[in-house]
Order: sequence, then structure tokens, then C-alpha cells
Amino acid sequence: QKEVEQDPGPLSVPEGAIVSLNCTYSNSAFQYFMWYRQYSRKGPELLMYTYSSGNKEDGRFTAQVDKSSKYISLFIRDSQPSDSATYLCAMPNAGGTSYGKLTFGQGTILTVHP
Amino acid sequence: EPEVTQTPSHQVTQMGQEVILRCVPISNHLYFYWYRQILGQKVEFLVSFYNNEISEKSEIFDDQFSVERPDGSNFTLKIRSTKLEDSAMYFCASSARLAGVTDTQYFGPGTRLTVL
Repeated sequence: QKEVEQDPGPLSVPEGAIVSLNCTYSNSAFQYFMWYRQYSRKGPELLMYTYSSGNKEDGRFTAQVDKSSKYISLFIRDSQPSDSATYLCAMPNAGGTSYGKLTFGQGTILTVHP
Repeated sequence: EPEVTQTPSHQVTQMGQEVILRCVPISNHLYFYWYRQILGQKVEFLVSFYNNEISEKSEIFDDQFSVERPDGSNFTLKIRSTKLEDSAMYFCASSARLAGVTDTQYFGPGTRLTVL
């Protein structure tokens, strides 16, 4: 079983739609959950991170974690064409001698059309 | 805003040749990383580096790969004898503290390596 799985899409939505992006993971040792955004020809940039189960909101973005189901989500409200990018979930190792290594999902390609 | 820079943006090489990919991390950062992304696949961890030594490496990072911080500003990835399957986008990242908890890894724009 892959450690982190993410539907690669692509996902195409109209401007103003609510977008839901999801990942599942298998490694119970993952404690922190991150969402990165990657624009074309750029490196990933951190959008949000969460630790505990529940929701965390930042502007139009809400990250949700359900540790019991090993399922994380990112919701984008009032999506804009500028949100068009690849969204990657990522989980850092945070135990033992292995710190810093990020395990990424496949990435979901999102297009928001005007 | 400080950023990680990488050169070159695109490197084309012949199979069997050595390549060196260069990165300039953010100046006060202490932890450095290389990742790669083969076209259509996940971003994969290669190696982390701290205090002039490798902290962790993946199974991809075999004897053909090496990393170095030759001076106070550069961080390099060397591939000794490139193979076709080394063709990928290579990302450098840096963090101020040991990322994995709440600190952020900042990624550069990547170097696209094409092995012919």
C-alpha cells in the first residue's frame, strides 16, 4: 500500500465553486499534515499545515484532518482562476532519526475557469 | 522576500556524464534537502543535509549521488554517471530549523535534467 495517495485529477471547476481535495495515508506515525501548492514551472510552496484532527481555516482555505480514517482534505471556497495549480498533500517524518523528509501525494491538478 | 534559487533551470546531458546541480538556500537556513520529480510522478525525497553531513537519504540516493556545501552559500547535488532514468525535475529546499514539525521547507524553482 502506498504511504500517501491522492487523486491526480485533473479537476476543472468554474470560478466561485467550492473545491475539495483529498488524500489518504497509511502510516500512523504521520502527525503533521501539509498542503503545498505548485504553480507551473515553480517549486512547491507551503499553503497550510495541521496537526490535530479537526479543521483549520486560513482565509478561503480550510484544511481538515481525520486521523481515525487517515484522511485529510483541503477545501477552497470561492475559487479563483489564480488558484489554478497542482495541490500536493505532504507529511513530514517526525520521529526517531528521521526528521524533515516529506512524503508527498501525487498532486491534484486544479483548473478554475472564469 | 528571501527565496531558494537553483541553476541551471534546464540541463541536458549525455548518458554517463557527470552533472552538478546548484542551489543557493535561504541565507540563515541550516537544513538542506534535495527532492526529485519524474514527469507525471510524485515529488520524492532524495537527501537531507545538516552541519556538513547527510542526515538521511532515500534508497534512490545511491553511490552515484553526492551532495556538498562547498562554501557558505551553495548546496550542490552531483550525479556521477547519469542514466536515462535520472531525467527529472530536481528541487532543492531549505529550512531554518529541522522541518518535520512546524517549520517550513522552502523550495526552489527546480532544475529540469534531461539525460539523452
